[in-house]
Amino acid sequence: AAGVIQSPRHLIKEKRETATLKCYPIPRHDTVYWYQQGPGQDPQFLISFYEKMQSDKGSIPDRFSAQQFSDYHSELNMSSLELGDSALYFCASSPTFPWGGNTIYFGEGSWLTVV
Amino acid sequence: GIQVEQSPPDLILQEGANSTLRCNFSDSVNNLQWFHQNPWGQLINLFYIPSGTKQNGRLSATTVATERYSLLYISSSQTTDSGVYFCGYRGGSEKLVFGKGMKLTVNP
Repeated sequence: AAGVIQSPRHLIKEKRETATLKCYPIPRHDTVYWYQQGPGQDPQFLISFYEKMQSDKGSIPDRFSAQQFSDYHSELNMSSLELGDSALYFCASSPTFPWGGNTIYFGEGSWLTVV
Repeated sequence: GIQVEQSPPDLILQEGANSTLRCNFSDSVNNLQWFHQNPWGQLINLFYIPSGTKQNGRLSATTVATERYSLLYISSSQTTDSGVYFCGYRGGSEKLVFGKGMKLTVNP
């Protein structure tokens, strides 16, 4: 079965640079979520999109932005990177909640290291 | 928001032992999932278990929604069971909120 695809899997950037993470949700899933997981922490919700519109927003820094495109893939853009942005970034997708299903599926994550 | 408490926070087992992980919630939750994060960081769906009991091989989960807790049972543990186990819920909004996780180490 198709899963959530994230790229790149690993990324190393210098401080003040910009990084872009991509996410391809499971086919026919119309909701995409982004999470950030720091070392030893639980994943924290950043932002979500439903049908290409932002549907919810969590603790996402102003330096970060995201969007969902017409083919439902999503990109997370992170600018002016700081050392503290080093983390594992997850993308997840689900069908329409709660009617289409109640399970969220996570990608394998993108490791971002800021040096 | 709803508070999620996972216990125990850490657990070390010998291969072959059984274990029970618990999630307590401060209020009713309707949609609960259990995840295993392996040492490579991958988050693996174990169960979607809003209520009742489900089993998958050596793993089973039970949620008692009226009493606001869920249990994950691991029987005959193997070294590949090592990692961090998270429970998470989806309340009124779509996003999933994670508990703090429980680190399991299974020694050979």
